[in-house]
Amino acid sequence: AQSVTQLGSHVSVSEGALVLLRCNYSSSVPPYLFWYVQYPNQGLQLLLKYTTGATLVKGINGFEAEFKKSETSFHLTKPSAHMSDAAEYFCAVSENDYKLSFGAGTTVTVRA
Amino acid sequence: NAGVTQTPKFRVLKTGQSMTLLCAQDMNHEYMYWYRQDPGMGLRLIHYSVGEGTTAKGEVPDGYNVSRLKKQNFLLGLESAAPSQTSVYFCASSHVNGIHGYTFGSGTRLTVV
Repeated sequence: AQSVTQLGSHVSVSEGALVLLRCNYSSSVPPYLFWYVQYPNQGLQLLLKYTTGATLVKGINGFEAEFKKSETSFHLTKPSAHMSDAAEYFCAVSENDYKLSFGAGTTVTVRA
Repeated sequence: NAGVTQTPKFRVLKTGQSMTLLCAQDMNHEYMYWYRQDPGMGLRLIHYSVGEGTTAKGEVPDGYNVSRLKKQNFLLGLESAAPSQTSVYFCASSHVNGIHGYTFGSGTRLTVV
C-alpha cells in the first residue's frame, strides 16, 4: 500500500527566499511521484512528475523536485519565491497504476 | 479545450436533501474519479471508474453513489445529505496507466446545513 507524508502543514517564506516543501512516501514498488499546486478556489494543477529516468525533474513556474530512493523522498524546491507562489501544494504517489494517494498538503505563504 | 468540467460550482443543501454532481471530460480518458477535500486531510477518494459502465469504491464511499453511463460523464449522488458531507468535491480523469497524472476539475463547494 502506498502513502504520502508531507512535513509541515504551513510554510512561510520571504519573497526571493528558497522554497522547500518536504514529501516522503512509502511504496512497495517503484512509484510514480507528483507535485500538484492548488490556488485559492481552483482545482489542482500538475507542477511536475517523476516516472523513470533522471531523478531531478523540472516543472512549471521554476519548481523542481528530486527523487531520492534511499530516503523515499520527493522534496519540492524553488530557488527564489515569488508572491504568486502562495498556494497549497500536494505531493502524490502512484504505484505504477492509475490510483493516486495524496498527502495532506502544505500551504505556502510568501511575505513581501 | 475544456478539460474537466464540474457543475454546479456551489450548492447549499438542507440535511436529508439529495443532489447530483456532474463531471464531464472531453479528453477521451478511460478513468474518472471523485475526491473530497477537507482541511488538513488532503484529498480522499470517494469512488472511481475504470471505464464506461463501471464503478468502484474508494477510501470514503459511504453516503455516496456514482454512475458512469457515458465515457465522458461521471455523476456523484448524495441520496440523503448530512452535515459531515460539507466539503469541496473534485472530479478528475486520467489515461489508463496514470503516468501522466490526473486532470482535475475546478471543484464543487457543497454546504449541508
